[in-house]
This record gives sequence, structure tokens and C-alpha cells, in this order.
Amino acid sequence: DAKTTQPNSMESNEEEPVHLPCNHSTISGTDYIHWYRQLPSQGPEYVIHGLTSNVNNRMASLAIAEDRKSSTLILHRATLRDAAVYYCILREEGASYGKLTFGQGTILTVHP
Amino acid sequence: DVKVTQSSRYLVKRTGEKVFLECVQDMDHENMFWYRQDPGLGLRLIYFSYDVKMKEKGDIPEGYSVSREKKERFSLILESASTNQTSMYLCASTPYLGSYNSPLHFGNGTRLTVT
Repeated sequence: DAKTTQPNSMESNEEEPVHLPCNHSTISGTDYIHWYRQLPSQGPEYVIHGLTSNVNNRMASLAIAEDRKSSTLILHRATLRDAAVYYCILREEGASYGKLTFGQGTILTVHP
Repeated sequence: DVKVTQSSRYLVKRTGEKVFLECVQDMDHENMFWYRQDPGLGLRLIYFSYDVKMKEKGDIPEGYSVSREKKERFSLILESASTNQTSMYLCASTPYLGSYNSPLHFGNGTRLTVT
């Protein structure tokens, strides 16, 4: 899988929007961008994924740059329950999950 | 919602013991995985299985084996536990191995300490 780069940590205040960046300058045309998060003492949890267009679901939005070399996960109103490690992952269509790589992620701290 | 259940949250074992970590999923998923998670190293794939009795090595299979006798259950076995196997172990499942649209569903992990 292509490599992603994320900041080690970010902070936010409760009820404010949070923009979590991810750089993936070596992304190929068939790589999908997936985001997972891991709350304290839990396993990772799927958040959202996309290919080229921006995506929205009940948890978050994903904004993908036009050249696809970067993307941003947007939490519209952070809550204390959003404090977690967020992972940005690239996955090629048809690729085995045996090659899915979780990096270090971004530790998000949410202040009351 | 998919539920992936790992039998133990915390486990303490002695060096040389044979250790079994159990994982059960309730959504009839074909594919199941074992990862370990260590500070600074992220998640690393140990083994995965795409069908009953089928298994494939991941990135770090040494010192581990797996068993999948039933579709819903995937066991990780440490043949002779060593201190460097102290880690958080995560089980996951997914219905479609090759589909970009098929997220992984994780259990809450087993924190294993080998003394």
C-alpha cells in the first residue's frame, strides 16, 4: 500500500469543527482513501472512505484534493467521544487486506 | 451491527506457555484477521483466513499459528509464549476480501502480558 503521512497529534475544543489532514503524494489512480479511528481501550472503527469525490456520512465528511495527493477528514462538531487516534489508509481496489497498513495515526484530543 | 468478540480483554501468561486467543464474529463473514498493535509500530498483520480451514501468513507470522474450524471462529495460538509477544492483539473480520467497499470490523482487543 502507498504511504500516508499524518500529524502526530491535534487538539480541538468541544463543539468546534476538526480538520484532520492526510498526505498521500504517491497515491495511485486505483487507491481508495479509508479512515478508521480507535477510541481508548477499543479496536479500530471504520469511519469513511472515498476515491475522488467528497463523501459524507453520519460520522464525518471526507474532502479529497483535486490531485488526490491529500485528503482531510472533517468532524463537523467535535464531542468528547471523538477523542481517538485517527488513521488514514490507502487501499487499492481488489487488493488483499493482507496488505492493508495502519500507520501511526493522529491522536485527537478534544477539550471541554 | 457486526459484532466481533474476543474472549479475553486481559491475559497474563508465563514464558513457554501455550496461549490461545479466541475471536468470534456474528455476521457470517468469510474473512478474518489477527493483528498485533504495539506503541510506535501501528497495527501489524499476523495471519488472516479467507475461508474455513484456509489461512495465509501476514507480515509477522513467526511464533504464531492459527485455526479456523468454523466460519465464525478464528483462533490465534502462541505455541510457546515469549516476552516479546507481550502486546495488544486485535481480531477483525470483513465479508469481501478484495472489495474497497468492505470495511474491517474489529474486536476490542486482548492485552496479553507474557512474564
